[in-house]
Amino acid sequence: GAGVSQTPSNKVTEKGKYVELRCDPISGHTALYWYRQSLGQGPEFLIYFQGTGAADDSGLPNDRFFAVRPEGSVSTLKIQRTERGDSAVYLCASSSLGGTGELFFGEGSRLTVL
Amino acid sequence: AQSVTQPDIHITVSEGASLELRCNYSYGATPYLFWYVQSPGQGLQLLLKYFSGDTLVQGIKGFEAEFKRSQSSFNLRKPSVHWSDAAEYFCAVGPMDRDDKIIFGKGTRLHILP
Repeated sequence: GAGVSQTPSNKVTEKGKYVELRCDPISGHTALYWYRQSLGQGPEFLIYFQGTGAADDSGLPNDRFFAVRPEGSVSTLKIQRTERGDSAVYLCASSSLGGTGELFFGEGSRLTVL
Repeated sequence: AQSVTQPDIHITVSEGASLELRCNYSYGATPYLFWYVQSPGQGLQLLLKYFSGDTLVQGIKGFEAEFKRSQSSFNLRKPSVHWSDAAEYFCAVGPMDRDDKIIFGKGTRLHILP
């Protein structure tokens, strides 16, 4: 597609449930980032992929969070046993030059945990 | 550890007035520096970036930023703001010498008075 696509745009779930958020990057972009943005805050780094491998997952808050990118294109962020504190907008971005290039952001997936 | 500080959470200026948004960073080496803008209901968009060379960089929408190594700053400026500039602005930093994550400041929300 022309830009970074994220689905769903909105997700409401109950505490304790499992959630998957999908990111479809710009075709050909090798780098893919996940960020989390809480209300009134800047994007908080979660994980960065270069190709299929996670180059840096130091931002994942705990082992309930996991992300995959099996074919080096689409990525899925998985959150187990969701908590109310996980409520935020999850942003995906892709880049053609890794950490040295412009990030192209999707519009985000808003997660609300009740 | 790398960090980005945007000391002003909110800034209000009159339409037609000049603007300066502050950004300070902490990094082990000369980083790549970015300014992104986030308008309500829209994704993050790159305004400008500094990689090397001229320390005064020009961006889209009439914005410019100046890299000052001695002050570890990368302030964003615009000579005359328009009502459409009302948005949230994020400064970001990434490594110059290798692919790595890009981290963001907490943002400055710009309000424009008519």
